Amino acid sequence: QSALTQPPSVSGSPGQSVTISCTGTSSDVGSYNRVSWYQQPPGTAPRLIIYEVKSRPSGVPDRFSGSRSGNTASLTISGLQAEDEADYYCSSYTTGSTLLYVFGTGTKVTVL
Amino acid sequence: QVQLQESGPGLVKPSETLSLTCTVSGVSISTSSFYWGWIRQAPGKGLEWIGCSSYSGSTDYNPSLKIRVAISVDTSKNQFSLGLSSVTAADTAVYYCVRHNRFLEWFPDYWGQGTLVTVSS
Repeated sequence: QSALTQPPSVSGSPGQSVTISCTGTSSDVGSYNRVSWYQQPPGTAPRLIIYEVKSRPSGVPDRFSGSRSGNTASLTISGLQAEDEADYYCSSYTTGSTLLYVFGTGTKVTVL
Repeated sequence: QVQLQESGPGLVKPSETLSLTCTVSGVSISTSSFYWGWIRQAPGKGLEWIGCSSYSGSTDYNPSLKIRVAISVDTSKNQFSLGLSSVTAADTAVYYCVRHNRFLEWFPDYWGQGTLVTVSS
């Protein structure tokens, strides 16, 4: 099972919007609601910010939004803030012959 | 407040078995609403799912690691453990214990802070 494909880096100025793509297959990203996103600031554990493609856990700002088209999911950060500078990973899973969670290759978001 | 905390040796010799324990607080491990798992991250690399277990011992493992991995749950101590045998330098990573949440499409929601395990002689 290959990792999901993300761009290595994106950047934006404070207040701008940035979008990160995550490409998989019809068995994972394109299946049901099997997409989540994690934020990982340097030196810390990942934090769940989006699940079921577009839902936010309590406490996550509504500046973070998720969507999906076919086998590609996207995370958009609106009104970019300095504290948003981090690595972002998408995740999905397959339930074929065995359960398998897969993660994206990761995207570094830089706030200029 | 839910918290997960990894513990175990930070240095393991090649060919030996890596053993880590995760202590869970703030929630009972004995519920069908959650699975308990491990995810690792090699230095400067991305995330790799290792596997997970229910409180009753039903397990799923990453096929690429399946022959070397064992995850077990101790409900009396509210802990779960990871065993990874025949380790090599490629197993050097930060290991995170996580909670998979049934109400969030089974995605991990709580993570431990992570513990670095180095494989070296």
